[in-house]
Amino acid sequence: NAGVTQTPKFRVLKTGQSMTLLCAQDMNHEYMYWYRQDPGMGLRLIHYSVGEGTTAKGEVPDGYNVSRLKKQNFLLGLESAAPSQTSVYFCASRLAGDEQYFGPGTRLTVT
Amino acid sequence: KQEVTQIPAALSVPEGENLVLNCSFTDSAIYNLQWFRQDPGKGLTSLLLIQSSQREQTSGRLNASLDKSSGRSTLYIAASQPGDSATYLCAVRDDTGNQFYFGTGTSLTVIP
Repeated sequence: NAGVTQTPKFRVLKTGQSMTLLCAQDMNHEYMYWYRQDPGMGLRLIHYSVGEGTTAKGEVPDGYNVSRLKKQNFLLGLESAAPSQTSVYFCASRLAGDEQYFGPGTRLTVT
Repeated sequence: KQEVTQIPAALSVPEGENLVLNCSFTDSAIYNLQWFRQDPGKGLTSLLLIQSSQREQTSGRLNASLDKSSGRSTLYIAASQPGDSATYLCAVRDDTGNQFYFGTGTSLTVIP
């Protein structure tokens, strides 16, 4: 039981490049979340999913897209990376009414 | 929009001391509140989850309380240890949907 895993752990992109972050959970959780964490800002919700095939916008969705084709995976895409997207990205999952479980994070730098 | 505040931003205490971390939120219409611990460069680890109908939860040396009407929660750590050094974050889930709002955290250092 690996819990929540994130790939990759680190990445450096140039402005305008694209990439996809992968989140995987093996706990059969319905709900999955993508957050970004910036100094002095706390964690902010980017997008979330309440089940396979569903996605919804969070607090800061602009510049990101997501997909939940399989229940265990939640992908976060950056189509054209900008320096403002330099951040640490966390994925989380949970069952209904239950606590969130977080992955180890992906540190992304956009130059 | 829900705003979550944690005061103080940083706290340093000698080993063995009891301490209280504070979390306040502006909208009392919450579903639950969760306390997390984050070690440097790591993800978040859940400590305690309090449902909106509950007043407190306990786990070992940790006790979290919730006063929904006043928009406050506290995390009490008894007999602090150097291993408790970390950043502690609180998050509230609003009762209208599935969104969570986080505070900016309290960075705790326990001095041996």
